[in-house]
Amino acid sequence: DTEVTQTPKHLVMGMTNKKSLKCEQHMGHRAMYWYKQKAKKPPELMFVYSYEKLSINESVPSRFSPECPNSSLLNLHLHALQPEDSALYLCASSQVINEKLFFGSGTQLSVL
Amino acid sequence: AQSVTQPDIHITVSEGASLELRCNYSYGATPYLFWYVQSPGQGLQLLLKYFSGDTLVQGIKGFEAEFKRSQSSFNLRKPSVHWSDAAEYFCAVVPPTGGGNKLTFGTGTQLKVEL
Repeated sequence: DTEVTQTPKHLVMGMTNKKSLKCEQHMGHRAMYWYKQKAKKPPELMFVYSYEKLSINESVPSRFSPECPNSSLLNLHLHALQPEDSALYLCASSQVINEKLFFGSGTQLSVL
Repeated sequence: AQSVTQPDIHITVSEGASLELRCNYSYGATPYLFWYVQSPGQGLQLLLKYFSGDTLVQGIKGFEAEFKRSQSSFNLRKPSVHWSDAAEYFCAVVPPTGGGNKLTFGTGTQLKVEL
């Protein structure tokens, strides 16, 4: 299994909603990542977990809250988002930090 | 400033023609170098990577890239492009030191293939 699975694929939410994005991998990778990608732009790193501990937080607003319950799962909890947060949210994993990254197909988020 | 640059925003080639996508980096030492491809609305797939050793790297889907230290470049090539190669291509680096160990992407090159 060489897949990173992200759910849901599409999400529409209001600015007062609370929602969560989920990412799962079963490759035994110990590093997991959240990236944000706006249309026609490169992905921008948000968070990195290494061995289930938050290793990098790229000064992301607190309305985005990551969680790594175990080595296979990575969540991104969303609360009080703004319309400018609409983007493709990509999860990735790697054997160790910044080795070859495997990306999921992303969650396309629209904030109304 | 430390950076990775893809000079070409858009490139159009005919099917069957050769392809070269440019990537330049600006770091004091050689970073780890990667090429990723992204189809519309999809995640990114790693084509190839360079850490050290042989400067000509073979990847998946018939792609190769050549690391040239003297030019600080890591250009992606394919001898004969297929229509299915149309996508966005990102060069990416992990800085050698002091970069926080973060994978940083170039701005991307949009490849269009004419039939």
